[in-house]
Amino acid sequence: AQSVTQPDIHITVSEGASLELRCNYSYGATPYLFWYVQSPGQGLQLLLKYFSGDTLVQGIKGFEAEFKRSQSSFNLRKPSVHWSDAAEYFCAVGALTGGGNKLTFGTGTQLKVEL
Amino acid sequence: NAGVTQTPKFQVLKTGQSMTLQCAQDMNHEYMSWYRQDPGMGLRLIHYSVGAGITDQGEVPNGYNVSRSTTEDFPLRLLSAAPSQTSVYFCASSSRGADTQYFGPGTRLTVL
Repeated sequence: AQSVTQPDIHITVSEGASLELRCNYSYGATPYLFWYVQSPGQGLQLLLKYFSGDTLVQGIKGFEAEFKRSQSSFNLRKPSVHWSDAAEYFCAVGALTGGGNKLTFGTGTQLKVEL
Repeated sequence: NAGVTQTPKFQVLKTGQSMTLQCAQDMNHEYMSWYRQDPGMGLRLIHYSVGAGITDQGEVPNGYNVSRSTTEDFPLRLLSAAPSQTSVYFCASSSRGADTQYFGPGTRLTVL
């Protein structure tokens, strides 16, 4: 069975600083990997996804993530954080099952941005 | 398109009561799923469906029933609510295969 680990529960960065959120996954085959963001009281919005091809994936809001098979990682990065990026971030791995894509989520990383 | 809609947004139940959380999507997606979100635990899959008439269990299915009579709707039923079911519930949908799942706004359920 697949699993996802987000080792950082909380991260605080200053506005304008760079950001890296860590994600490690466990899956027997080629994974489908996702990063979602959740603002307080809201649903989840997709930031980016990796299915195949280029291991550096660009997403919305200036985010990018790099798939590293040797390290089983899919870390999320942003060169300069904005105060509006404060939210909870979830990494997920998908497994094709009977025609559907079952997602397994990590426990999330809460990002706080200091002005 | 409205995307994925969920009703109600908030609900308070007493232990033992039953209710149905509604989920609908207008994107003609075949795959739909229900998750619950609890603090420190991320989202966990309750049930999913790969098409009308086809459902299967996820990671935490106990205490929940689902059915899928149409492509658009995927209701989640709590037959006898328990305090352990206090959570935020999200419905999601996607096309078949490894595609992006689109999430609804969630239902916050409290069981007293």
